[in-house]
Amino acid sequence: GDSVTQMEGPVTLSEEAFLTINCTYTATGYPSLFWYVQYPGEGLQLLLKATKADDKGSNKGFEATYRKETTSFHLEKGSVQVSDSAVYFCALVMNTGFQKLVFGTGTRLLVSP
Amino acid sequence: GAVVSQHPSWVICKSGTSVKIECRSLDFQATTMFWYRQFPKQSLMLMATSNEGSKATYEQGVEKDKFLINHASLTLSTLTVTSAHPEDSSFYICSATPRGRENSYEQYFGPGTRLTVT
Repeated sequence: GDSVTQMEGPVTLSEEAFLTINCTYTATGYPSLFWYVQYPGEGLQLLLKATKADDKGSNKGFEATYRKETTSFHLEKGSVQVSDSAVYFCALVMNTGFQKLVFGTGTRLLVSP
Repeated sequence: GAVVSQHPSWVICKSGTSVKIECRSLDFQATTMFWYRQFPKQSLMLMATSNEGSKATYEQGVEKDKFLINHASLTLSTLTVTSAHPEDSSFYICSATPRGRENSYEQYFGPGTRLTVT
């Protein structure tokens, strides 16, 4: 079945460091890909998305490019802030008309001043 | 905009009792709501999809008689865990898709409810 694999955390960085959180997927077709972020005590929020190969999603300084050849959607940010500390979830949905999101296990990011 | 709330945020109940969790879309109407379960250090697992005015669609392996879902209005869905047991202890999260945006794959998530069964 469809699945998402993302790197285990926590990822611990100093402020202004470069961030990469790896995400790969397995799907029988061509999914749409998402990154969600969950701040402490809050619900998941959509961070960015890409709906087809080579699309780049971006928001709040975060970027991820849909790579069909490597079935990946790695999240990157050039300079993290303390306020970026959260749990990040990679997810996919198949473009079949059904809205079933398949999530990775989440990666906790801790940014220290 | 697009805020989803859950109530309660945490609940402790005794084994054998039932507990109801509410999910509300506060500033939009939601034709479809989803219920997820999250175990520690694991991903969110979809339990069921509910559409307003119709029966919920449960994922394989989810007991429909144990996890009762009611989507009585366009802003409220409830999940009732019946005859709860310690293995039902988990973090339950709901999400909602705005009316008219069903094909956009947009889902707005509630903050979750932590259930502990003693």
